Amino acid sequence: LAKTTQPISMDSYEGQEVNITCSHNNIATNDYITWYQQFPSQGPRFIIQGYKTKVTNEVASLFIPADRKSSTLSLPRVSLSDTAVYYCLVEIGKLIFGTGTRLQVFP
Amino acid sequence: ETGVTQTPRHLVMGMTNKKSLKCEQHLGHNAMYWYKQSAKKPLELMFVYNFKEQTENNSVPSRFSPECPNSSHLFLHLHTLQPEDSALYLCASSQGTSGQRNTEAFFGQGTRLTVV
Repeated sequence: LAKTTQPISMDSYEGQEVNITCSHNNIATNDYITWYQQFPSQGPRFIIQGYKTKVTNEVASLFIPADRKSSTLSLPRVSLSDTAVYYCLVEIGKLIFGTGTRLQVFP
Repeated sequence: ETGVTQTPRHLVMGMTNKKSLKCEQHLGHNAMYWYKQSAKKPLELMFVYNFKEQTENNSVPSRFSPECPNSSHLFLHLHTLQPEDSALYLCASSQGTSGQRNTEAFFGQGTRLTVV
């Protein structure tokens, strides 16, 4: 059972790049890494997914080292509206969410 | 708008009441999920359905009874709830596991349930 570990919280300022790292030492060969964002009283929203190396879309980048035991979500130039909880998931099938990282962006 | 609709958005019920939560998606997805999120806590997976069949019951008390009549609809029937069951109940759907990976899941806005 792949377990993820993320920092509980992070603070940043508007315009800065934020990197959130997730540890998943027991990731299985078949597991992909998926990140979700959740605002208060709303359902999570898919951000990005990857298997290895680097993936980039219009909102974020995902860096995955060769051993795949960790991954880093990179948010370029955050704004106040990026204040949310960010979850890293690695287990297929069940969509089990961990505690996530609470990101607070200050003006 | 994610394409997953939950009703009602808010519900207050007594401990002796019976109520149902409804979730509907017309995204053509084959997997549907129920989650519970208590205040300032992570999401707890409750049930998973794939192609209308329940594939996961995460040790949920029997006072919560899911029903999936077709791939587009998912219900959560509630009876004899306790105040500690008050939470945000979220429904999600996805295309399902495709080989090696989870496909993107879409969540509804949730039902805020208060048990009095």
